[in-house]
Amino acid sequence: GDSVTQMEGPVTLSEEAFLTINCTYTATGYPSLFWYVQYPGEGLQLLLKATKADDKGSNKGFEATYRKETTSFHLEKGSVQVSDSAVYFCALSHGSGNTGKLIFGQGTTLQVKP
Amino acid sequence: DAGITQSPRHKVTETGTPVTLRCHQTENHRYMYWYRQDPGHGLRLIHYSYGVKDTDKGEVSDGYSVSRSKTEDFLLTLESATSSQTSVYFCAISPRGQAPMNTEAFFGQGTRLTVV
Repeated sequence: GDSVTQMEGPVTLSEEAFLTINCTYTATGYPSLFWYVQYPGEGLQLLLKATKADDKGSNKGFEATYRKETTSFHLEKGSVQVSDSAVYFCALSHGSGNTGKLIFGQGTTLQVKP
Repeated sequence: DAGITQSPRHKVTETGTPVTLRCHQTENHRYMYWYRQDPGHGLRLIHYSYGVKDTDKGEVSDGYSVSRSKTEDFLLTLESATSSQTSVYFCAISPRGQAPMNTEAFFGQGTRLTVV
């Protein structure tokens, strides 16, 4: 079945450091790919998405490119801030009948220190 | 913010008791979902609905039932709560079917349930 694998955390960075969180997936066909972010005590918010191969999603300085050849959707940011501290989830949406069910990775905790 | 309200936000209950969680939306979206979040597992789908009275099972549906009698409300019931159902439960909605394919889902704030 479909699955998503994220790099294990936690990831601890200093402010202004470069961020990469790896995400790879297994799926038939052409799923849509998402990154969600969860701040402490809150629900999940969509950070960015890509719906077809080679698409680049971007938002708030974060970027991820849909790489079908490597089945990856790695999240990057050039300069992280303390306010980026959160849990990041990679997810895909792919199901018969397009029901919108999301399959999530296990999440990666990011801690940014001043 | 998407108009999704979950209630209650926190609940402690005893093993063996029934529990119902409510999700209310003001967006008139057709698709609604219940997920549970556990450390090391991310979020996993419990049940979902694609319309009034139309529901289907997700990945971890054992011990849970759902009902949707109105577009705006999606209820999740734990028939007889067990300690393994201690988790954070999230409701989500999607405009799927009203917008291009593969649109994202919007999540509620979550319900933290503890079964003692």
